Amino acid sequence: GAVVSQHPSRVICKSGTSVKIECRSLDFQATTMFWYRQFPKQSLMLMATSNEGSKATYEQGVEKDKFLINHASLTLSTLTVTSAHPEDSSFYICSASFQGGSHEQYFGPGTRLTVT
Amino acid sequence: EDQVTQSPEALRLQEGESSSLNCSYTVSGLRGLFWYRQDPGKGPEFLFTLYSAGEEKEKERLKATLTKKESFLHITAPKPEDSATYLCAVQGGSEKLVFGKGTKLTVNP
Repeated sequence: GAVVSQHPSRVICKSGTSVKIECRSLDFQATTMFWYRQFPKQSLMLMATSNEGSKATYEQGVEKDKFLINHASLTLSTLTVTSAHPEDSSFYICSASFQGGSHEQYFGPGTRLTVT
Repeated sequence: EDQVTQSPEALRLQEGESSSLNCSYTVSGLRGLFWYRQDPGKGPEFLFTLYSAGEEKEKERLKATLTKKESFLHITAPKPEDSATYLCAVQGGSEKLVFGKGTKLTVNP
């Protein structure tokens, strides 16, 4: 149980274009979803927290107009990187937790974004 | 501010050579300490949650322990398939997880 999927697993886009990444909880309803970014040999850095049906809460230093997060249902959250630039190239990982759970977050497999 | 420091950064073991990974933390109101395993190019895989000092949990060759300042992940008689990066994270007053940089474990056959 507690499986989270992400799509796509890898994406290459040109500078200035937008990219959408999907995160789905497959076998549970995720009341809260989280988006992280991970650079090589670095910690996972939380970008934002989203609850179904409400606006995402962004961490300090994360541009909410650049990283658009939508959590329209209890099983789907999307992250759109708008006007991507090479410095946005990174490994993006989502996680999900469910109400009544023991606070664990279950992670997706990640999406490798390369902006050329 | 919640902080997590993991040591060592990298650890090489021979198959069967037991060892421990350390996770030191400072947190305001610990709700939980989490251990994850991460393989290259993959998302973290949940291993354990520890809630209070003195608690221990085991899974196969792994055993996690917790004190008020640190947690240890003990690996007994590791196998090459245990090679991965092991991440420690704490959860304080909010639902946010604060991660350490991880310990990259390599187990040679």
